[in-house]
Amino acid sequence: AQSVTQLDSQVPVFEEAPVELRCNYSSSVSVYLFWYVQYPNQGLQLLLKYLSGSTLVKGINGFEAEFNKSQTSFHLRKPSVHISDTAEYFCAVRFNGQGAQKLVFGQGTRLTINP
Amino acid sequence: NAGVMQNPRHLVRRRGQEARLRCSPVKGHSHVYWYRQLPEEGLKFMVYLQKENIIDESGMPKERFSAEFPKEGPSILRIQQVVRGDSAAYFCASSPGTGANEKLFFGSGTQLSVL
Repeated sequence: AQSVTQLDSQVPVFEEAPVELRCNYSSSVSVYLFWYVQYPNQGLQLLLKYLSGSTLVKGINGFEAEFNKSQTSFHLRKPSVHISDTAEYFCAVRFNGQGAQKLVFGQGTRLTINP
Repeated sequence: NAGVMQNPRHLVRRRGQEARLRCSPVKGHSHVYWYRQLPEEGLKFMVYLQKENIIDESGMPKERFSAEFPKEGPSILRIQQVVRGDSAAYFCASSPGTGANEKLFFGSGTQLSVL
């Protein structure tokens, strides 16, 4: 079965601390991987994506993620968070053969930054 | 250069009424996707349309839900005889093509509340 799991529904961290948001997927086919951010009352914005090549992907706002094929993971990291990073973060996967831009999303992780 | 426009932002309906959600894709985009976000859950794919064609409706409930993307005008997601379980945020997304490298643009969503 093809699925996406975000292990943490909520992650509270202090400002300027590092953060890692976890994402694992299950698939028998190759995948493309994405992280989206959703600020309150807004649509989703693409943070970064992995299609091929280097397994370490850098995105906007200082975020990066690393694709680990053996562990079927695509964890999102930021070395030092800011209050403005408070948002909901979604991992998404496009499974090869699914077609078009049909994405399977994880349940989301709510990142709360405390001063 | 407007992004994906969805209206209304908020829609309140009583049980049994009809809900019509509109989505205008980014200018020039011919691929439209509808996703539903239930409370505390990630986005779930509903339907993928190209101009005048439904390409993939595997995520649409079998009854009461329909979608269209006419040659002229916005894409419409129509829910007939709404029930409380239809209460959710409905997001529309568009892309210029279907390649993995094509970026998916999301609207800000329509929050449907069924009383």
